[in-house]
Order: sequence, then structure tokens, then C-alpha cells
Amino acid sequence: DAGVIQSPRHEVTEMGQEVTLRCKPISGHDYLFWYRQTMMRGLELLIYFNNNVPIDDSGMPEDRFSAKMPNASFSTLKIQPSEPRDSAVYFCASSTTRPRSTDTQYFGPGTRLTVL
Amino acid sequence: AQSVTQLDSQVPVFEEAPVELRCNYSSSVSVYLFWYVQYPNQGLQLLLKYLSGSTLVKGINGFEAEFNKSQTSFHLRKPSVHISDTAEYFCAVTPAGGTSYGKLTFGQGTILTVHP
Repeated sequence: DAGVIQSPRHEVTEMGQEVTLRCKPISGHDYLFWYRQTMMRGLELLIYFNNNVPIDDSGMPEDRFSAKMPNASFSTLKIQPSEPRDSAVYFCASSTTRPRSTDTQYFGPGTRLTVL
Repeated sequence: AQSVTQLDSQVPVFEEAPVELRCNYSSSVSVYLFWYVQYPNQGLQLLLKYLSGSTLVKGINGFEAEFNKSQTSFHLRKPSVHISDTAEYFCAVTPAGGTSYGKLTFGQGTILTVHP
């Protein structure tokens, strides 16, 4: 299995621009998570999906952030407009409860976002 | 809600010495506990997890952890470290069932640096 795939690996953009981060979870996994990692705040859960449905988005910082999961094999995290304080590493992770729960989240390599 | 406290932000140690990375948690419900490792510029990788049963859990790369319910701790240990163990280590918890199942709460991380 290729593992969780994230793209792009690095993104540099200017303040005010729209940024879209992409994630392909492990095939067959029914949970998908988006995290943000910064030096100041550590690892924060932004949002997670179960069977493509958002379950908890309480970690999404503000309305500038949105996430979608149109199908079981693809998710996006969008920031519009971006701000310098959004600079961070964004991780996607997936897990499964089928055929029985493994409770293990598998992380992608992350997208390092820099907003100038 | 759950919270995780990793008591040491940095732990320097010499090669072949033993190491303990400390983790305490707080929760009003039963939890599952995890240790993840993050090597530089990579995503997180599961080291070990406690779901139920024996309180001593063995993981990959010679690491083990002990769940202590009375002290709400889940400390990570290795009897003899290698240079390659240099990384950041994260303790995490998730509710054992319920509507928040699958939602990981991470500690702030402990940077383990192994010196020759």
C-alpha cells in the first residue's frame, strides 16, 4: 500500500491567496483526519470525517478554512484567503474500523505551507 | 474532554543509555493511549498503543510503555537507545468509544536527542 498521500509537499504563497491541500487516504479506510502542526501550538486536530461525512470540525480555526471529502479516496483542505499565521505543516491521517477497529491513525508526510 | 501532558520538552541522552519519556493524561472516560514518533521532515508513525489487557505494552524499535491507571500515566521506555532514535515523540489519547471515538488528543511532544 502506498500509504496516505498528500500534495503538494511544499507550498509557498502570498497573503490573500487561496491555498488547497490534498489528501488521498489509505484504500478502505473510513476515517480521515486533518491536523496542523506549529511550534507554538503543537499538533492540533482541525476536522475529521467518517465515511466522507464531517464529524467534528470544532478545531477549524475560522471561516477561512474549509474541508471537503467528496468521495472515499480524496479530501481537500482549503484556506481562503491565506494569512501568514496559517504557515504550518498540515498532516492528513486515515484509519479504519473495518473489519475491526485498529485504532491506529496512519499519517501522510505532510504539506509544509508558508504564507508570505 | 481529554488532555495530555508530556512532562519533558527535551531529553538528551547518550547512546546505549536507558531513557524514559513521561506522559500523563486526564480524562473523564476510559481511553486508549498511543505513542507516536516523528522523524525530521516526516509524518507521525505509531510506536505502540494500549487498548486493554496487559498494562505493559511492547512496540517497535525496542520501545515499551506501561499504563498506570491510578497515576493516569503512560510512560515510554527503552533500555538502550541508538543514534537513530533521535526524533520527536508524541503521546496521545482517544476516548474508548462514544461519539468522539477516533479523535486523538496529542501532547506537546518530547524531543529525544541521542548523543554518541
